[in-house]
Amino acid sequence: GENVEQHPSTLSVQEGDSAVIKCTYSDSASNYFPWYKQELGKRPQLIIDIRSNVGEKKDQRIAVTLNKTAKHFSLHITETQPEDSAVYFCAASISTGFQKLVFGTGTRLLVSP
Amino acid sequence: NAGVMQNPRHLVRRRGQEARLRCSPVKGHSHVYWYRQLPEEGLKFMVYLQKENIIDESGMPKERFSAEFPKEGPSILRIQQVVRGDSAAYFCASSPPWGDGYTFGSGTRLTVV
Repeated sequence: GENVEQHPSTLSVQEGDSAVIKCTYSDSASNYFPWYKQELGKRPQLIIDIRSNVGEKKDQRIAVTLNKTAKHFSLHITETQPEDSAVYFCAASISTGFQKLVFGTGTRLLVSP
Repeated sequence: NAGVMQNPRHLVRRRGQEARLRCSPVKGHSHVYWYRQLPEEGLKFMVYLQKENIIDESGMPKERFSAEFPKEGPSILRIQQVVRGDSAAYFCASSPPWGDGYTFGSGTRLTVV
């Protein structure tokens, strides 16, 4: 089955810096890659996603890139703000009518003012 | 339009008791998924259900755990004879039949004492 690895496990940056989180997946059939932000005690919230027919997607300060050949995808956050501090999870799925998501282990991002 | 509703938010059970977790999907969503999140870990898929049918229960422990999504009413995740290792946050998600619009509930935090 699918296996998703995520790095780093923790990331500390200064406000205004960029943050990059990387994930690799094992199943070449995976074709949907969402990223979730989870604040302490809250639900995971979708922040951006990408499908395998696209190499890059951007939404304001957040971007995701996908390299299908290498089977890895990355989350880029620019101009980080303290409110970006949270745990971020990547996930992968084979979207065949339903989405069974396989999650990475999470990255705890701390943005210091 | 209410999102995915889960109750209770917090549940404390003694070892050996039963835990019942409820999930009402977004109106119009016919697909329900249950995930478990252990402390400091990512979400792990447990089961995927459609109305009155279990589609994929590959992540569900073979014993003590069961799930249902009846024709009327919420989806129920039932854990019999709970043990301390069952302590976790249990998240429900729902989606429409075509799979997009995956939405998580706020979770039920189960503590077994």
